Amino acid sequence: NAGVMQNPRHLVRRRGQEARLRCSPMKGHSHVYWYRQLPEEGLKFMVYLQKENIIDESGMPKERFSAEFPKEGPSILRIQQVVRGDSAAYFCASSPSTGRRGNTGELFFGEGSRLTVL
Amino acid sequence: EDKVVQSPLSLVVHEGDTVTLNCSYEVTNFRSLLWYKQEKKAPTFLFMLTSSGIEKKSGRLSSILDKKELSSILNITATQTGDSAIYLCAVERSGGSNYKLTFGKGTLLTVNP
Repeated sequence: NAGVMQNPRHLVRRRGQEARLRCSPMKGHSHVYWYRQLPEEGLKFMVYLQKENIIDESGMPKERFSAEFPKEGPSILRIQQVVRGDSAAYFCASSPSTGRRGNTGELFFGEGSRLTVL
Repeated sequence: EDKVVQSPLSLVVHEGDTVTLNCSYEVTNFRSLLWYKQEKKAPTFLFMLTSSGIEKKSGRLSSILDKKELSSILNITATQTGDSAIYLCAVERSGGSNYKLTFGKGTLLTVNP
């Protein structure tokens, strides 16, 4: 049973370009969460999605950032017109379709996508 | 705003030593506290502590929740080089947004042979 798959693992972009990060949840999971880890900071919640729905995007920056989780295919976190301050590790996590995080309570994290903006 | 503070920020020990990592928190309507281990890959779950389960143990790792002091400790006995990692503490509030964990900055543990 494959875990949460994220790609690319590393992405380099120049200021003003677009970054697209993908996340395939664990098999059987239909709830996806994106977290961002800035240098020297803890993981911070960005957005929670279910298939075709954004449930909570309270942690997303108001501009340039968007997320989707289509009926088919991975969840995508899109950052338009990237700036140096967007350089961070972006982690995706998933949970079972019941909406609970499993009996042990954990979120299942992917290995992260590390974005570097030059 | 919920807050999690971990200490120390980094720690270097020798194999065989015992270490204690600290986590203090401020959260509205506390539900649970979670510990994760982050090596150069995905954070992996270690423990979840709640009001009904304030002490957990798995092999050489154990964790205790002190709801009175709003804190938790993670103990690792007989450390091994494979324990080298960043240890993350997170809290969850009860209510509708129980997926929105608040993480600390982590403690970087280095275990030297």
